[in-house]
Amino acid sequence: SQELEQSPQSLIVQEGKNLTINCTSSKTLYGLYWYKQKYGEGLIFLMMLQKGGEEKSHEKITAKLDEKKQQSSLHITASQPSHAGIYLCGAVRGSQGNLIFGKGTKLSVKP
Amino acid sequence: NAGVMQNPRHLVRRRGQEARLRCSPMKGHSHVYWYRQLPEEGLKFMVYLQKENIIDESGMPKERFSAEFPKEGPSILRIQQVVRGDSAAYFCASSPSAHPNTEAFFGQGTRLTVV
Repeated sequence: SQELEQSPQSLIVQEGKNLTINCTSSKTLYGLYWYKQKYGEGLIFLMMLQKGGEEKSHEKITAKLDEKKQQSSLHITASQPSHAGIYLCGAVRGSQGNLIFGKGTKLSVKP
Repeated sequence: NAGVMQNPRHLVRRRGQEARLRCSPMKGHSHVYWYRQLPEEGLKFMVYLQKENIIDESGMPKERFSAEFPKEGPSILRIQQVVRGDSAAYFCASSPSAHPNTEAFFGQGTRLTVV
């Protein structure tokens, strides 16, 4: 089974609506990264969370790492077509800090 | 400050040929990570390098694949005798120090197609 599970796998929302994407780990998270990827392009760094309960915001995107450090959520307020893409969560694994990733959540925003 | 630069963006190779993928990290970054993204799958770690050293290659296939990060110049991921299954997007990321305390930035990727 996948060590990092993202839900939902895909999401279609109307422009202006709020949405939440979840990332659940089977192990304690020591560093959680959120990236956005547009089709055919690279990954855009959004946020990095380390401490349980930590919450960060960038424009209309907020991410939080829960207290037990096994789940993170990404919340988008008043979604826009520019938010469309694939959202990936990554967690630090390995003694040298390489990342493992979830399979991603594909977000479509209808104008 | 330019971001992580990868080239070429697209690469087509015939079965049996060699593929060379290049990654120039961000200025001041000495840590490079290579990942592979197969269609409908997530990103998978391949190898982690610091200048002139391979630190962790646990995710890299034992045969045909090699990576280097010389003192001067970009990091190179080399795939010998490519097969159709090697078709994927290859991404590199760089950071100023090892995870987990630092941000890691990705390049645009190289999309390898083996025909």
